[in-house]
Amino acid sequence: EAGVAQSPRYKIIEKRQSVAFWCNPISGHATLYWYQQILGQGPKLLIQFQNNGVVDDSQLPKDRFSAERLKGVDSTLKIQPAKLEDSAVYLCASSLLAGVNEKLFFGSGTQLSVL
Amino acid sequence: LAKTTQPISMDSYEGQEVNITCSHNNIATNDYITWYQQFPSQGPRFIIQGYKTKVTNEVASLFIPADRKSSTLSLPRVSLSDTAVYYCLVGEVNNDMRFGAGTRLTVKP
Repeated sequence: EAGVAQSPRYKIIEKRQSVAFWCNPISGHATLYWYQQILGQGPKLLIQFQNNGVVDDSQLPKDRFSAERLKGVDSTLKIQPAKLEDSAVYLCASSLLAGVNEKLFFGSGTQLSVL
Repeated sequence: LAKTTQPISMDSYEGQEVNITCSHNNIATNDYITWYQQFPSQGPRFIIQGYKTKVTNEVASLFIPADRKSSTLSLPRVSLSDTAVYYCLVGEVNNDMRFGAGTRLTVKP
């Protein structure tokens, strides 16, 4: 079974530039999540999609971050403009459904460095 | 909101059994307890999940007492490759179920 695919693996940009990350979840998984993981901390949920609708984006800095999940499959997360504090690993995860006992399957993440 | 508390770090030696305890005093009736493992440069990986008593799989065991206010992840006979960060999560996947800083387990030869 193919896992969650993310690209790019690494990205280096200067502050105020824009950047986009792509995620392809496990086939058939209805729920998709984007997490931000700052070095030394646990992952922080940014946004959760159920199919192509947003379930929770309360922790997403909407003035600079945006995310979409077209056709309920792939998803992109964009940052525009980037700040130094956005340097982190951006993890995408998916689960079959959204529920209290659903397992999350994570991709390897995109490591973003903002200079 | 079920907050979890777990040790920041633990050290062990190869071949030993490791027990990592997580405290979750405010666990709700419908909450499950889930543990994830994360290696450097990888996303977290599901290890085990339980609701009460004991759950065992090929990787670990999870012990949950009757009051469910804590849980213990047990890793039998650890090896160097078990060096990782272990996260305890309680509840449902949304903003109320947060990944804390986790427990950094270091297995020494």
